[in-house]
This record gives sequence, structure tokens and C-alpha cells, in this order.
Amino acid sequence: AQTVTQSQPEMSVQEAETVTLSCTYDTSESDYYLFWYKQPPSRQMILVIRQEAYKQQNATENRFSVNFQKAAKSFSLKISDSQLGDAAMYFCAYTITSGTYKYIFGTGTRLKVLA
Amino acid sequence: GAVVSQHPSRVICKSGTSVKIECRSLDFQATTMFWYRQFPKQSLMLMATSNEGSKATYEQGVEKDKFLINHASLTLSTLTVTSAHPEDSSFYICSARGAGADIQYFGAGTRLSVL
Repeated sequence: AQTVTQSQPEMSVQEAETVTLSCTYDTSESDYYLFWYKQPPSRQMILVIRQEAYKQQNATENRFSVNFQKAAKSFSLKISDSQLGDAAMYFCAYTITSGTYKYIFGTGTRLKVLA
Repeated sequence: GAVVSQHPSRVICKSGTSVKIECRSLDFQATTMFWYRQFPKQSLMLMATSNEGSKATYEQGVEKDKFLINHASLTLSTLTVTSAHPEDSSFYICSARGAGADIQYFGAGTRLSVL
């Protein structure tokens, strides 16, 4: 069965510092997509970054980047120059490249940003 | 980016009544829509997947007669909570994806309170 694990229920980072959120997953598929979504207090889910498994290059979006280790089935999110607005729940998600593309979500990591 | 509108954002109803929640894709055709339920401080739990013009596929443990889903057009899906009871109180979120797309775009969610 496909699973997504986020082992850090809560993380804290000082403003302007860097933080890394962990995500591991289990799958027997070779082609799939991985995502990080942010859910701020408004509870609106916002796509942060997306990685295609067949691409070796790590995805980046401004201050957000991932460390994708396919063999280790690891997909961590690095947030650089943390800002107060980054405080939110972060969910890691996985989907295969066929069918309905339904997501499997991790349990989430609550990120606190300290001023 | 693609926009998904969910309405209402908040609803309070009496026990035994039915409540309808709408989910609309505003600027793309949503071949698949998803309905999630989120308990406080927890991850998103997929309830069902709906394809336009087809019956919804419900996840194990979700009562299809309690949670009626209709996906009548490529831009609209509705979730009706029938004969609502206090235990149905929760945060419900919809998402949508276009044909061949792996990314889901999320509505802002609906907070349902059943008195």
C-alpha cells in the first residue's frame, strides 16, 4: 500500500533562517508525482512545490526547494529566509500518473516562525 | 493559477436537516473532483472522487447515502450531507483537476456545524 509519512508534527524556525521539513513515502510505482501543500490558518490549501519522479533535478520555487531522493523514497522541503507568513501546516502528498490522480496525504507538520 | 470556488464557507444547521455544498472550477474544466473531510489538527481525509457524468467513488467507510455527491457538469460538483447530525460537524474541502493534470486545486473549505 502506498503511504506518506511526515515524522515531525511540529517545527519551529527563527525568522530569516532555514528549515527543512521531512517526508518519506512508500510505493512500488516508478512514475509518480510528489507535492508540498501549505495550509495557513485560513485553511485554504496552497500548492507550494511539485516534483515529477522521473526528473532527477530537484524542484525549486523561489525560497522553497526540495531534496528528492528517489531510491530512499524521501522528499524533504527546504524553506530559506523564513518569513512570518510561512507559518502554517505543511502537507506532503503523493499521486500516481494514471487513473483519477487521487492524492495520498501525510499527517502534516505545523511550522512556527519566531520573530 | 486555476481557481476553485466553494460555497458556502460556513453553514449552521439543525440536526435532521440536509445541507448542500457547492464546488465550482472557475477557469478550467474539472474532469475529476474530490471531496475531503478534515478534523481539527488532522490531515485531509478523502471521502470520494467524482468524474463528470459518472457516479462518485466513495472511500471505504464513507456512507454514500449520507454524503451524496453529484458532478453534473465539468465545472460543478455538489456534496449533500443528508439528515445531518452533530457528528457530521466538520470542515469539508473540495478540489478539482483538469484532464490529464496531476495537480489538484482546492476550494477554501466549508465549516459545517450541526446543532
